[in-house]
Amino acid sequence: EAQVTQNPRYLITVTGKKLTVTCSQNMNHEYMSWYRQDPGLGLRQIYYSMNVEVTDKGDVPEGYKVSRKEKRNFPLILESPSPNQTSLYFCATGPRESSYNEQFFGPGTRLTVL
Amino acid sequence: RKEVEQDPGPFNVPEGATVAFNCTYSNSASQSFFWYRQDCRKEPKLLMSVYSSGNEDGRFTAQLNRASQYISLLIRDSKLSDSATYLCVVLTGGGNKLTFGTGTQLKVEL
Repeated sequence: EAQVTQNPRYLITVTGKKLTVTCSQNMNHEYMSWYRQDPGLGLRQIYYSMNVEVTDKGDVPEGYKVSRKEKRNFPLILESPSPNQTSLYFCATGPRESSYNEQFFGPGTRLTVL
Repeated sequence: RKEVEQDPGPFNVPEGATVAFNCTYSNSASQSFFWYRQDCRKEPKLLMSVYSSGNEDGRFTAQLNRASQYISLLIRDSKLSDSATYLCVVLTGGGNKLTFGTGTQLKVEL
C-alpha cells in the first residue's frame, strides 16, 4: 500500500530539547516537503527537497533543519524547539514534477512545545 | 495582501444545496491551481485540479478566471460527507512552490 508515514504522531516536549520528526514514503517519489499548519495561517512550507541531497528553504525555515540522505526519508529536525513551534506538521511527497500533480500528505504530527 | 485568499466560512448549508467557494490569488504568474479537501485536522487530499477551460468531476465543478485571478469550486447536491475544509492551492515560483489558502469550512446539515 502506497503511504507516507510520520513519527511521532503526537509529541509534547519542553523548550530547548532537540527533537526529530521522521517522514518516510514507499512511493519512490523524488519530491518531499514539510509544512506546518496553524489556525488562521493555513499550511506554510518549511523546507522541500527535489531529490536526494537536494534541499531548499520554504517560507518558514527558521528554527528547522532537514536532511535527505536517501530517497524515502526526509526527517525534520528542531535543534532547540521553542513554544512558537507548537503546531501541526505535515510531510508531503510527490513525483519529480510534483508541483504539477498531486501531493500525498502524511497523517500529521501534532507538536506541543512547553 | 495574502498570496491566496479564501473566505474562512463556515458555510452551513442543508443537504442537497448547491454551494460555491471562491478563492483569489495575487501572483499573476501563477501556473497551476488545485482544490484540496481536509477533514478535521487530518491530512489534506487532492480534490481536483483546476483547468483554464473549467472542469467537472461528478458533483464538483472548478473554474478559473485568470483575468480576475480567482478560482471557484461549486458543489451540487451537497452531502453530509462533504463537510470538510476546502483548501485553494496555487502553484508559483517556477513550479516549485505551492501556496495554500487558509481554507473554507463547509458544514452540510440535515
